[in-house]
Amino acid sequence: GEDVEQSLFLSVREGDSSVINCTYTDSSSTYLYWYKQEPGAGLQLLTYIFSNMDMKQDQRLTVLLNKKDKHLSLRIADTQTGDSAIYFCAEGSNFGNEKLTFGTGTRLTIIP
Amino acid sequence: EAQVTQNPRYLITVTGKKLTVTCSQNMNHEYMSWYRQDPGLGLRQIYYSMNVEVTDKGDVPEGYKVSRKEKRNFPLILESPSPNQTSLYFCASSLNPAGSGANVLTFGAGSRLTVL
Repeated sequence: GEDVEQSLFLSVREGDSSVINCTYTDSSSTYLYWYKQEPGAGLQLLTYIFSNMDMKQDQRLTVLLNKKDKHLSLRIADTQTGDSAIYFCAEGSNFGNEKLTFGTGTRLTIIP
Repeated sequence: EAQVTQNPRYLITVTGKKLTVTCSQNMNHEYMSWYRQDPGLGLRQIYYSMNVEVTDKGDVPEGYKVSRKEKRNFPLILESPSPNQTSLYFCASSLNPAGSGANVLTFGAGSRLTVL
């Protein structure tokens, strides 16, 4: 079945760039997503990328996709304290259940 | 405000006492889904519904039931809860992802359930 893996923790100094990595196994994935979960809240969509794209940029966020290696990354430029959260990578296909398979989540901690 | 509302947000119960977690969305979304979140395991899908009266099992359906009698509501039922169902539960909805593009889920705030 599908599997999505992420590191559990990442610490970054305020103002530096954060890079959160994710690997997935399902080669039929159509879309790959990044969700953010702040304490006590549900997940909110940050961005997503179509599988035939290599990169997507949205303000401070840059998503890179290496489809050959099934590797996805999220770069947050100029990391701020408000970026502290758990970040989930997810993959999904465009047919059937449309289920999203989520990774374990990466807890991003900002060091002042 | 467009949202997914879950109740209760917190619940402590005992083994075997039936409970229902309600989920309601006001966005006229066709697709709804329940996930559970456990440490180190991420989110796992329990059940989903493509539309009214259409439900199906996700990855971890054992011990759960759902119903979809109306478009806006998708309750999660635990007929006889057990301690291994202690978890954080999320309801989510989306417009109609089938073949139409990205499946952008809107999540509720979560329901933390403890079964003693």
